[in-house]
Amino acid sequence: QQPVQSPQAVILREGEDAVINCSSSKALYSVHWYRQKHGEAPVFLMILLKGGEQKGHEKISASFNEKKQQSSLYLTASQLSYSGTYFCGTEGGDYKLSFGAGTTVTVRA
Amino acid sequence: ETGVTQTPRHLVMGMTNKKSLKCEQHLGHNAMYWYKQSAKKPLELMFVYSLEERVENNSVPSRFSPECPNSSHLFLHLHTLQPEDSALYLCASSQRQGGRSGNTIYFGEGSWLTVV
Repeated sequence: QQPVQSPQAVILREGEDAVINCSSSKALYSVHWYRQKHGEAPVFLMILLKGGEQKGHEKISASFNEKKQQSSLYLTASQLSYSGTYFCGTEGGDYKLSFGAGTTVTVRA
Repeated sequence: ETGVTQTPRHLVMGMTNKKSLKCEQHLGHNAMYWYKQSAKKPLELMFVYSLEERVENNSVPSRFSPECPNSSHLFLHLHTLQPEDSALYLCASSQRQGGRSGNTIYFGEGSWLTVV
């Protein structure tokens, strides 16, 4: 079953922060975050394994709450290059990822 | 450059045509995937090949036929498609480890398909 992402879209000014949430109805083994710019391949950002860990990629970080079956992606001090569509992919213990519908982030100068 | 190369990048085909999409991965991975990406819809997993054996077919219509001749190459053969099949088709690869994951999937740039 596919995870639910929120919000669907967010508009930011450079330097502002945002949070993207990803929730699943099933127990999760891992959560993967990707960013896709228009006309390009989704690019891997980070993977979080069960254990409640938090990871970071530049000024983008994420947390994984195994008990709540959800993950959050934090965009801190956003830059123009952060614009794109962010997808979470969830894995329930096998090798398959189910992706959310995506969150479109627009960062304006 | 993600290490996964797809051709062609753009394809327009009629409903009676037969065409193929090609994917090649240079990452030494042992699993390859086809995903379909339609506007405002989640990525849909179509097929999974692990060690050249198809291990997943998510109720995909028979007008889509995958082929995996070796661990580096994956094809998607298309015939008698419908206009609603127009979408971005993404190939991906990963290194499966003992049936568990936590491994990263790397995507190609995708093939934009338009069925007229």
